[in-house]
Amino acid sequence: DTGVSQDPRHKITKRGQNVTFRCDPISEHNRLYWYRQTLGQGPEFLTYFQNEAQLEKSRLLSDRFSAERPKGSFSTLEIQRTEQGDSAMYLCASSLTYRGYSGNTIYFGEGSWLTVV
Amino acid sequence: GQNIDQPTEMTATEGAIVQINCTYQTSGFNGLFWYQQHAGEAPTFLSYNVLDGLEEKGRFSSFLSRSKGYSYLLLKELQMKDSASYLCAVSNDYKLSFGAGTTVTVRA
Repeated sequence: DTGVSQDPRHKITKRGQNVTFRCDPISEHNRLYWYRQTLGQGPEFLTYFQNEAQLEKSRLLSDRFSAERPKGSFSTLEIQRTEQGDSAMYLCASSLTYRGYSGNTIYFGEGSWLTVV
Repeated sequence: GQNIDQPTEMTATEGAIVQINCTYQTSGFNGLFWYQQHAGEAPTFLSYNVLDGLEEKGRFSSFLSRSKGYSYLLLKELQMKDSASYLCAVSNDYKLSFGAGTTVTVRA
């Protein structure tokens, strides 16, 4: 078990460029989440997938953000036309849930730092 | 919606005990998590409470009172490596809502 892995770990981009982050969840975890965290704050929920289906998107996720999980395994988060306010750490997490079990530990990846200049 | 409050900072001496309180108001509840986060790193899971009472795990214990919307994380025998941010998070089915975190500084 290699844990949740994210790539790239750091990205510096110019305003207006597009960026894409990749997340590989823990093997066989059926739920995958994206969170965003800025300095001094706790992570904020962005979106989540149950297998390949994207079941909720936060209002924080503007139209410039899109996430996919095409085969129910890895996921990508793309930000188009980046703005300076997008600078943050983007965290991916995964968990295993099954019918009748309401609690599930969510395991986080090491995060992808985005700096928009 | 969710409202989760925890102190911003706490300082303690190596070997001492520190208790981090968390109060919450939430529209749905499937459990309460505590995570540890070192600067520049991802949160790592510490504990999970879904029923009232105390869960003990080595030097770390976590307590939950659902009727009071209250939890605490107890760190015993503090070590320098425990200096980190501690995040309280409420689970509502599929997602976690986090507090802003409590930065604990352990002094020699």
